[in-house]
Amino acid sequence: DIQMTQSPSTLSASVGDRVTITCRASQTVSSDWLAWYQQKPGKAPKVLVYHASRLGSGVPPRFSGSGSGAEFTLTITSLQPDDFATYYCLQYSSYSNTFGQGTKLEIK
Amino acid sequence: QVQLQESGPGLVKPSETLSLTCNVSGYSISSGFYWAWIRQSPGKGLEWIGSFFHPGSTYYNPSLRSRVTVSADTSKNQLSLKLISVSAADTAVYFCSRLDSSWFPAHWGQGTLVTVSS
Repeated sequence: DIQMTQSPSTLSASVGDRVTITCRASQTVSSDWLAWYQQKPGKAPKVLVYHASRLGSGVPPRFSGSGSGAEFTLTITSLQPDDFATYYCLQYSSYSNTFGQGTKLEIK
Repeated sequence: QVQLQESGPGLVKPSETLSLTCNVSGYSISSGFYWAWIRQSPGKGLEWIGSFFHPGSTYYNPSLRSRVTVSADTSKNQLSLKLISVSAADTAVYFCSRLDSSWFPAHWGQGTLVTVSS
């Protein structure tokens, strides 16, 4: 299995800040099949980015994804109050897909 | 717009079988796309359980393969999950999902909590 390691586990930031979350894979993620999800308490995850850098449908452009191979980042520019949530990466390049452990974005 | 709704017992005894159903509306399972079960527990985060493609292709998480079966009843347009010999470690919120044509989970149910306890 490909192991996904996210950092940081927790991130404190203020409205208007720019933040970056990193996901490192234990091996190359084929075709950069890496997605980022946002999850709020009691809700299912919502896709923000897929194929490492493609924005999901209806996702605001302040969200962006980058990276390739085994290292990927999610950047949120100009944080909005609605952005405080938990974020997960997912590699779906193998039939046994694996998630990162999550990054909780908190209000400073 | 496809919609998914999980259902099943909220409490299962240790060593017994966990059985869940995902009712799908707005799209026919037999028309295509991969379908998946994913779970989320406090201890292990989000975990891929298995995937299904009609009429019967399945792929399972190696760590669960010996205990899990994912199938579909196309007459009812339902996806099913069976997990045998459960333990407290299987306590989680279980989600069903339809994968996008680009292979990532794009549509999710709201999830159902299953607690394994005597």
